[in-house]
Amino acid sequence: SAVISQKPSRDICQRGTSLTIQCQVDSQVTMMFWYRQQPGQSLTLIATANQGSEATYESGFVIDKFPISRPNLTFSTLTVSNMSPEDSSIYLCSVVLRAQYNYEQYFGPGTRLTVT
Amino acid sequence: EDQVTQSPEALRLQEGESSSLNCSYTVSGLRGLFWYRQDPGKGPEFLFTLYSAGEEKEKERLKATLTKKESFLHITAPKPEDSATYLCAVPRRVRPLEETSGSRLTFGEGTQLTVNP
Repeated sequence: SAVISQKPSRDICQRGTSLTIQCQVDSQVTMMFWYRQQPGQSLTLIATANQGSEATYESGFVIDKFPISRPNLTFSTLTVSNMSPEDSSIYLCSVVLRAQYNYEQYFGPGTRLTVT
Repeated sequence: EDQVTQSPEALRLQEGESSSLNCSYTVSGLRGLFWYRQDPGKGPEFLFTLYSAGEEKEKERLKATLTKKESFLHITAPKPEDSATYLCAVPRRVRPLEETSGSRLTFGEGTQLTVNP
């Protein structure tokens, strides 16, 4: 398995500001992702964080709103820019570990963001 | 478009009362099905990955099975500590030039399980 930590664990932010969330993994991983979980809902994939290149965004998510960095194989950041109350969610990073015959995908503890 | 549907939305059991949760999916070319447990305020905890129809995996009181159209999470003699939301997810279609879907996951809405003592 993988041990994933996220900072901050929670924050309350003002509308129009930006917040950068950090994700640290205890081992080198090739595949890392960022998800969002809105209140009372399931998880939605935001983007794939690519090491050494620009992130790949899913439909409905854009780089200007959610810039992502991935400087190495153990670390990534997600910035939520120009926040509005609709951005209030839990943001989770996730990594894939490839075992011999299957994938196992692990999630961090999440960052709970409240925008006022 | 891939779709994942879980039922029931909520399930309330008495301790020791076995039951099953359902995850039905519509995907073109299944590349695995993931089950997770999520406790309130925490990230999802990985449980199982299933790849082919007929496959089964077990962990303590949980057993996951897979058919060509759905997966079941069987809970045998549950305890109150099994109370959580259970999520299933499938990897998305591989993009051109992408070697693997790399587990870009589409999640179901989850089943909220409550086990009463």
